[in-house]
Amino acid sequence: GQNIDQPTEMTATEGAIVQINCTYQTSGFNGLFWYQQHAGEAPTFLSYNVLDGLEEKGRFSSFLSRSKGYSYLLLKELQMKDSASYLCAVRDSNYQLIWGAGTKLIIKP
Amino acid sequence: IAGITQAPTSQILAAGRRMTLRCTQDMRHNAMYWYRQDLGLGLRLIHYSNTAGTTGKGEVPDGYSVSRANTDDFPLTLASAVPSQTSVYFCASSAQGATGELFFGEGSRLTVL
Repeated sequence: GQNIDQPTEMTATEGAIVQINCTYQTSGFNGLFWYQQHAGEAPTFLSYNVLDGLEEKGRFSSFLSRSKGYSYLLLKELQMKDSASYLCAVRDSNYQLIWGAGTKLIIKP
Repeated sequence: IAGITQAPTSQILAAGRRMTLRCTQDMRHNAMYWYRQDLGLGLRLIHYSNTAGTTGKGEVPDGYSVSRANTDDFPLTLASAVPSQTSVYFCASSAQGATGELFFGEGSRLTVL
């Protein structure tokens, strides 16, 4: 079966750096997405990786290793507003998105 | 309207009743989707539509139906609601292109008693 694994919850300190990992086993691979979802709100797109390597976008970076079935989202200079759930999703060979359950990130002052 | 609009935002429904969740987008996206989100689970695809006039079944289609009469609207109908359909429902759309990122509506919280 297809599976996306990510930690359920993480805690970090304001101003610090946090890395959220995502491992996947899917039928084929056509890209990996990270979305941010604040409590009670809709998910919003953060990043997309289809080739191996690091994609940087401001304070957020996303890394992909297709051979390892692994990605991470790196958040730098954490702010209180970064408290949210972070969803990892993989697009499979049928171009359907398979979603992880999300990682709830708690930022403490 | 800007983006995707869902209605209602919240609804309490008696079991056995029929319910339609509405979804409208103004971005002229070809593809639209309905997901449900339950605590501890990832988003699960209910139905999708790649273009107006066509629909397809997702991972959890039973008890739900959709239609896509035009590009903008993609309603989701629960013919006879059951308590296990209590969830938050998200409508989303995407344009054709390299990333195909999804744009989500604000969600509809449905409680079936």
